[in-house]
Amino acid sequence: EPEVTQTPSHQVTQMGQEVILRCVPISNHLYFYWYRQILGQKVEFLVSFYNNEISEKSEIFDDQFSVERPDGSNFTLKIRSTKLEDSAMYFCASTRSGNGYTFGSGTRLTVV
Amino acid sequence: QKEVEQNSGPLSVPEGAIASLNCTYSDRGSQSFFWYRQYSGKSPELIMFIYSNGDKEDGRFTAQLNKASQYVSLLIRDSQPSDSATYLCAVNPYNTNAGKSTFGDGTTLTVKP
Repeated sequence: EPEVTQTPSHQVTQMGQEVILRCVPISNHLYFYWYRQILGQKVEFLVSFYNNEISEKSEIFDDQFSVERPDGSNFTLKIRSTKLEDSAMYFCASTRSGNGYTFGSGTRLTVV
Repeated sequence: QKEVEQNSGPLSVPEGAIASLNCTYSDRGSQSFFWYRQYSGKSPELIMFIYSNGDKEDGRFTAQLNKASQYVSLLIRDSQPSDSATYLCAVNPYNTNAGKSTFGDGTTLTVKP
C-alpha cells in the first residue's frame, strides 16, 4: 500500500525559530495538501498545491507559512518565526483523483 | 453555525450492534463528502466517499447522503472493538480534484466487547 511519508515525526523548536516540515507524497498523486490539528481540535486546512503552485490557502496560511516542491518527490511546509500557538500536528495529504486523501502519519510540532 | 457539524459524542455501542454517525453541512453547494477514521494519536484514514444522493455500501460501512437535507451519515454494521475511534466527516465545496476539505469536530465511537 503506497504511503505518504512525513519527517520528522516530532519537532521541538524555540519560539521565533524557523522549521521545515517534509513530506513525500504518493508518487502518482497530483494534488498535495497541508492540514494541521491542534490537540483536541478539528483538522484544519492550510494549503493545497497543484502543478507546482498553490491552488488555495486558508486564512491561517499567512506570510509566516510557505510551501515548496523543490524536486519531483518532496513537498515542504516552512513556518517562519514560530509562535506558541503553532504547536500542533501537521499532516501532509495527497490525492490523485479527488476521491479522498491519503494522509501522512504527521509531524508533531512543539514550540517552546 | 459550524460549516460541518457532527453529532456530539461520545457514542458507545455494544459489539455487534449498528453504530450510526451523523453529519450536517451548511454549504448547500457542497459536492463531495468523506468519512475518515482517526485512532488516537494517528492520522485520519479514509473510509468512504460519496457524491450522489442515496446509499453507498462498502463491507460493514454504509454512507448515506441527502443533499436536500444537507445531511450525510455513516452506518457501521456488526461493530467491532477495533472500530473504536474518532470518525471525521469532511465536505468539499467543489466537485473538482483540488478541492480542500472542511472537517467536522469528529464523533468518538467506543465499541464495548
